[in-house]
Amino acid sequence: QVQLQQWGAGLLKPSETLSLTCGVYGGSFSGYYWTWIRQTPGKGLEWIGEINHSGTTNYNPSLKSRVTISVDTSKNQFSLRLSSVTAADTAVYYCARRLDIWGQGTMVTVSS
Amino acid sequence: EIVLTQSPGTLSLSPGERATLSCRASQSVSSSYLAWYQQKPGQVPRLLIYGASSRPTGIPDRFSGRGSGTDFTLTISRLEPEDFAVYYCQQYGNSPLTFGGGTKVEIK
Repeated sequence: QVQLQQWGAGLLKPSETLSLTCGVYGGSFSGYYWTWIRQTPGKGLEWIGEINHSGTTNYNPSLKSRVTISVDTSKNQFSLRLSSVTAADTAVYYCARRLDIWGQGTMVTVSS
Repeated sequence: EIVLTQSPGTLSLSPGERATLSCRASQSVSSSYLAWYQQKPGQVPRLLIYGASSRPTGIPDRFSGRGSGTDFTLTISRLEPEDFAVYYCQQYGNSPLTFGGGTKVEIK
């Protein structure tokens, strides 16, 4: 049974960099796309981007200039970095195996 | 970017009734790469349907999906109390992947 466990800072100041990591436990890391998604009351669910075990990435053009998704296959982990955050980046951030398995979510608040 | 429009915004029904939710895409969804999710308050979205009509293991058969191209439907044949939630569609055939705005199924 594959499980995703995510962690990272939940409170940031404007202009700081958001950093979250997601660990994949109990299953294969290869052969899938590993995804970051965020959810806000106003904009709903927004796909941020994804990465596979080889490091091939796809990013949402709306965030591409500020996003980096990386992978550490030795640890079965993948990470999200979002630079220059503003209040508009306040959201619940989820990691997920594309489509079917989601992490527990991390509430990230950006406030001065 | 493919824009997904879900309708209605809210569906008020009673347990035992049939629910029909619509998801319309601004352009054709590649290979019917369309998924449906259920989300309850404070919970993580749960995958109900992928490939427009396939159910993952463990999803009850009262949930069914159909459609192709730009028009997709999720049907819940008989609403159970635990089915009252928000439902989202997602297309994963074209980058960027996109979600619909959701349909809330509430108890009438």
